[in-house]
Amino acid sequence: GENVEQHPSTLSVQEGDSAVIKCTYSDSASNYFPWYKQELGKRPQLIIDIRSNVGEKKDQRIAVTLNKTAKHFSLHITETQPEDSAVYFCAASQASGGGADGLTFGKGTHLIIQP
Amino acid sequence: NAGVTQTPKFQVLKTGQSMTLQCAQDMNHNSMYWYRQDPGMGLRLIYYSASEGTTDKGEVPNGYNVSRLNKREFSLRLESAAPSQTSVYFCASSDLFQGGEQYFGPGTRLTVT
Repeated sequence: GENVEQHPSTLSVQEGDSAVIKCTYSDSASNYFPWYKQELGKRPQLIIDIRSNVGEKKDQRIAVTLNKTAKHFSLHITETQPEDSAVYFCAASQASGGGADGLTFGKGTHLIIQP
Repeated sequence: NAGVTQTPKFQVLKTGQSMTLQCAQDMNHNSMYWYRQDPGMGLRLIYYSASEGTTDKGEVPNGYNVSRLNKREFSLRLESAAPSQTSVYFCASSDLFQGGEQYFGPGTRLTVT
């Protein structure tokens, strides 16, 4: 089955700086890679996703890059703000037609924004 | 739209007791999922239902059963609860023809003593 590794487990950055979280996956058949943000006691919320036919995707201060050859993808947050403090999870799946398999998640990165 | 709803929000069980966690979605999604989240482990897939009438095991199915009651509802049953099943349980739904993104419910915090 799929295995997703996520690094670092904790990341502390100064407000206004950039943050980068990296994930690797093992199954070359995976073709859908979402990122979720989870605040304490809340449900995971999708913040951005990328499919394997695209190398990069941006949404305001958030971007995701995908390297299919190396089987890794990364989340980039620029101009970090206090409200970015949360746990971030990467995930992977084979979103094949006719039905959707579940997601395999990384273990999460606790992002701390220092004022 | 309420999105994905789960009941109950909290539950305490004694070892050996049984219970069913309920999940419903009002987004007309075909696929539904059950995950558990333990500290430091991320979310792990227990069971999923790609479409109404089908269910499949995920990464950690032992000790659980599921029922896809209809397109809207997907329940998770613990027949004989064990302390190792203490966790937060999340239900999610998605539909490939609506973009494929998975949307999560608010979670059920279960403690087994």
